[in-house]
Amino acid sequence: QKEVEQDPGPLSVPEGAIVSLNCTYSNSAFQYFMWYRQYSRKGPELLMYTYSSGNKEDGRFTAQVDKSSKYISLFIRDSQPSDSATYLCAMSVRGAGSYQLTFGKGTKLSVIP
Amino acid sequence: NAGVTQTPKFQVLKTGQSMTLQCAQDMNHEYMSWYRQDPGMGLRLIHYSVGAGITDQGEVPNGYNVSRSTTEDFPLRLLSAAPSQTSVYFCASSYYGAKGISYNSPLHFGNGTRLTVT
Repeated sequence: QKEVEQDPGPLSVPEGAIVSLNCTYSNSAFQYFMWYRQYSRKGPELLMYTYSSGNKEDGRFTAQVDKSSKYISLFIRDSQPSDSATYLCAMSVRGAGSYQLTFGKGTKLSVIP
Repeated sequence: NAGVTQTPKFQVLKTGQSMTLQCAQDMNHEYMSWYRQDPGMGLRLIHYSVGAGITDQGEVPNGYNVSRSTTEDFPLRLLSAAPSQTSVYFCASSYYGAKGISYNSPLHFGNGTRLTVT
């Protein structure tokens, strides 16, 4: 079993829809949870981060972490064509030397005008 | 700000050839790393460095060498290219902290080098 599982999609939604992207993980030592967005032919860029269970909101984006279920989600409200990208979840353990992020495989999202 | 700069953007090699992928950052980041990204496999860590003169292996280090002589540069060397090394390679950098990579020291990625080995 991979440490981080993410449905690769592709996911296609109409403009204005609410999008839900998810990852599950098996390593209970993961403490930091991040979502990266990657546009075509570009490098990933950090979109959101959280380190505790619960919700964190930033504009149209909400990151949700449920450590008891080992499940994280990214919600996009009022999705726009500019949100079309691949979304990667990433996680790391806490502590000195924890420089390695474990990435999900990414979910490709297309928002159709 | 340039951020993380990777060269070349594209490269085609024949099996057995060698080459160096260049990575430079201007953010004074201590931590630098190389990933490869393949369809269905996601991002996999090849090598990383937490400072000049210090390097370590990641998940898929075989066939690749690195060195870190300066804070700014972290080149990746393919000694004898193989078709299995066809991939998109990303360099990433971050601040170095006692807590490691965390929410307040995110990875900054370059835009990748697309390598084809025939």
